[in-house]
Amino acid sequence: GDSVTQMEGPVTLSEEAFLTINCTYTATGYPSLFWYVQYPGEGLQLLLKATKADDKGSNKGFEATYRKETTSFHLEKGSVQVSDSAVYFCALRDGGRALTFGSGTRLQVQP
Amino acid sequence: KAGVTQTPRYLIKTRGQQVTLSCSPISGHRSVSWYQQTPGQGLQFLFEYFSETQRNKGNFPGRFSGRQFSNSRSEMNVSTLELGDSALYLCASSREDRAGSEQYFGPGTRLTVT
Repeated sequence: GDSVTQMEGPVTLSEEAFLTINCTYTATGYPSLFWYVQYPGEGLQLLLKATKADDKGSNKGFEATYRKETTSFHLEKGSVQVSDSAVYFCALRDGGRALTFGSGTRLQVQP
Repeated sequence: KAGVTQTPRYLIKTRGQQVTLSCSPISGHRSVSWYQQTPGQGLQFLFEYFSETQRNKGNFPGRFSGRQFSNSRSEMNVSTLELGDSALYLCASSREDRAGSEQYFGPGTRLTVT
C-alpha cells in the first residue's frame, strides 16, 4: 500500500537558518504530493503541492520538488522565522484514494 | 470565501455514549473527507463522501459512520464510545475527488471520552 516517511523531529533551528525536512514515499500509482502545516490548536493548512514529476510546489518561501527517481518530496526554506514553528506533514494522494500522511515533523525556530 | 467549518469544536462524552460531529465544506466543494488524529496513530483516514455517496472507507470499526447531505454538508457518528476514540477529528473538503484536487481542512473537533 501507499506510505509516506518523514524525518523524525523535533527539528530545532535558529532564525534565518536553512530548513530541509525530508520526505520519501511509496505508491502503487502516480500520486500527487502535498505538504501541510499544523499550528498549535488548529487544523491542517495546505502549504504546497505537486502533481507530476519535476514539478516544484512553492508558497510563503517554502519549496518542494517532486522527484520520481528518488520517490522524494523534500521541503525546503531558505530562511526560517519564529512564526514557522509548527508541525509539518508530507502527504500523497494516489488516484481517487484518500490522503496518506507521514507522521509529521515538529519544527522549532529559536530567535 | 469561508473555509471549512466544524461543529462543535470541543466535546466531552462518557464511554458508551454516541456522538455526532458536523462539517460544512467550502462553498462549491462536493467532496468531504474525515480523518482522526491522535498522538499515537497520527492522521488516519476515516471515510470520504462525494455527491452524497461514500467513495472510500478507512480501516475503522462499524461504530464509525458518516453521511453527506445534498448541500454537501457532512456528519460523522461514533456509537458506543470507547476511551480510545478520544482524538481530534478533522474534516476536509475538495472540489473534486481526483488525486490532484487539494483538500482544505477545518479546525477540527476535539473529542474527549471519559
